[in-house]
Amino acid sequence: GNSVTQMEGPVTLSEEAFLTINCTYTATGYPSLFWYVQYPGEGLQLLLKATKADDKGSNKGFEATYRKETTSFHLEKGSVQVSDSAVYFCALRQAGTALIFGKGTTLSVSS
Amino acid sequence: NAGVTQTPKFQVLKTGQSMTLQCAQDMNHNSMYWYRQDPGMGLRLIYYSASEGTTDKGEVPNGYNVSRLNKREFSLRLESAAPSQTSVYFCAISTPGQGYAGELFFGEGSRLTVL
Repeated sequence: GNSVTQMEGPVTLSEEAFLTINCTYTATGYPSLFWYVQYPGEGLQLLLKATKADDKGSNKGFEATYRKETTSFHLEKGSVQVSDSAVYFCALRQAGTALIFGKGTTLSVSS
Repeated sequence: NAGVTQTPKFQVLKTGQSMTLQCAQDMNHNSMYWYRQDPGMGLRLIYYSASEGTTDKGEVPNGYNVSRLNKREFSLRLESAAPSQTSVYFCAISTPGQGYAGELFFGEGSRLTVL
């Protein structure tokens, strides 16, 4: 069945450091891929998405590129801020199915 | 999160008690979902409803029932709560999107503790 694997955290960075959170997936066909973010005490909210191979999703300085050949959708940001501290979830969805999430990666950014 | 309202936000139950988590949306979307979030497990789908009057099981449906009586509301019921159901529960709705790329909007969550 479909699945999402993301790097385990926590990831601890200093402000202005470069961020990469790895995400790989298993799916038949061509799923849509998503990154969701959960700030402390809140529900999840969509950060970015990509719907086909080689698409790049971007938002708030974060980027991720849909790589079909490596079945990956890694999240990157060039310079993190303290306000980026949150839990990040990679997810996929295919036709006729609900969204499937990875286990989440906790990011902690210190000043 | 505007548009998806969950009640209650916190609840403590004793083993064997029953309760219903309520979810209401004002975004007029067809698809609604219930997820549970546990440490190190991510979010797992309990049940979903593609439209009014229809429901389908997700990954972890055992011990739960759902009702989708109208387009706006989707409730999750625990008939006989167990400590393993201690979790944070999230209701979500899905925008139609193009194909299956619709975005999920989440409620703020309901934290349930079963003693």
